[in-house]
Amino acid sequence: GAGVSQSPSNKVTEKGKDVELRCDPISGHTALYWYRQSLGQGLEFLIYFQGNSAPDKSGLPSDRFSAERTGGSVSTLTIQRTQQEDSAVYLCASSPDPASDEQFFGPGTRLTVL
Amino acid sequence: DAKTTQPPSMDCAEGRAANLPCNHSTISGNEYVYWYRQIHSQGPQYIIHGLKNNETNEMASLIITEDRKSSTLILPHATLRDTAVYYCIVRVWNSGYALNFGKGTSLLVTP
Repeated sequence: GAGVSQSPSNKVTEKGKDVELRCDPISGHTALYWYRQSLGQGLEFLIYFQGNSAPDKSGLPSDRFSAERTGGSVSTLTIQRTQQEDSAVYLCASSPDPASDEQFFGPGTRLTVL
Repeated sequence: DAKTTQPPSMDCAEGRAANLPCNHSTISGNEYVYWYRQIHSQGPQYIIHGLKNNETNEMASLIITEDRKSSTLILPHATLRDTAVYYCIVRVWNSGYALNFGKGTSLLVTP
């Protein structure tokens, strides 16, 4: 079946612009996660959704970052007034529920801020 | 979640077993050991997890020491497609939810 999909696959933007990154989780998965991976670094947790609510936003690096999820499905990660340090690969994952052993990851969106 | 320590890189000849170690000396009794891998330019992929017993699936085996302070992921017959970064993660089951990825071990399988 279809896996987690993310769009766009690549995004180049200018410093100060806003960007929106989209994640389509596996159908029926109630839990959704956003991570980011900066060059040469491990994955950094950003935010977790259970259904449409976000019980854990602890990883969002600043108030320029926000995310929402609608209909218990698609999620959008928005970065306002992008900075060069926001350049990274943004990865989305989903799982059937938060207690699931396995998180299924999408291919990521590579964001480059010039 | 307990912190893990892994070697930054390892090599393995194709067809041989790849043994990837992980230290988690501060692991708690209710924390599981998970392994994921990330092939270049792809999202991470779940491999295996365990609590205290050794585990095996179609991808790998997981050996956890009796004191649970360390573990080894074994790829029994490594192929070139196993070249990836391997992450060892400890996580309390049914809580926390986010995976705490460290730097992992970059495994290079050579012909």
